[in-house]
Amino acid sequence: AQTVTQSQPEMSVQEAETVTLSCTYDTSESNYYLFWYKQPPSRQMILVIRQEAYKQQNATENRFSVNFQKAAKSFSLKISDSQLGDTAMYFCAFIGGETSGSRLTFGEGTQLTVNP
Amino acid sequence: DAGVTQSPTHLIKTRGQQVTLRCSPKSGHDTVSWYQQALGQGPQFIFQYYEEEERQRGNFPDRFSGHQFPNYSSELNVNALLLGDSALYLCASSQRQAGNEKLFFGSGTQLSVL
Repeated sequence: AQTVTQSQPEMSVQEAETVTLSCTYDTSESNYYLFWYKQPPSRQMILVIRQEAYKQQNATENRFSVNFQKAAKSFSLKISDSQLGDTAMYFCAFIGGETSGSRLTFGEGTQLTVNP
Repeated sequence: DAGVTQSPTHLIKTRGQQVTLRCSPKSGHDTVSWYQQALGQGPQFIFQYYEEEERQRGNFPDRFSGHQFPNYSSELNVNALLLGDSALYLCASSQRQAGNEKLFFGSGTQLSVL
């Protein structure tokens, strides 16, 4: 079974600074995808960034980038130039190959607060 | 292009009642998955429907059932509601051929069981 662990229940950062959210996962599969989702108070689940396990290059989306360490099963999210609108719950998630099908497994979440 | 739509937005029920939640997938999507998100937790996979059949199921009791219609929309039914069923229920759609990792989520239905 796949597991996703986020060890930081809460984090805070000053506006314009950089913050890194941690995520580790456990799987025996070789082909999978990793995601970071953002869930603001509206509770809409918004995809922030996606990483394909077979790609060695770390994914980037504007101010968001990941540090994907496949051997260590680590997948951290770096937010640069933090903005007040980045305040939200952030979930790390995993979707595997044949054994887990297309179900997403989520971590417990990290509540990020960006302070002015 | 409408995204994933869910109805109703909010729902209040009492213990023992039955509830039906509805989801219309994003245009062009043929697969619908349902997730339960308790307050302060990550979403948990309930089940997935494709070609009008349940294809995968998470660790949820038989009180949770679903249906997919020919137009790909889906319903989630919960019988004999318990207080612990209070949660946000999220629907996600995808297109099997394009890769089910390309999921789009709806805004959810907030279910409160009193």
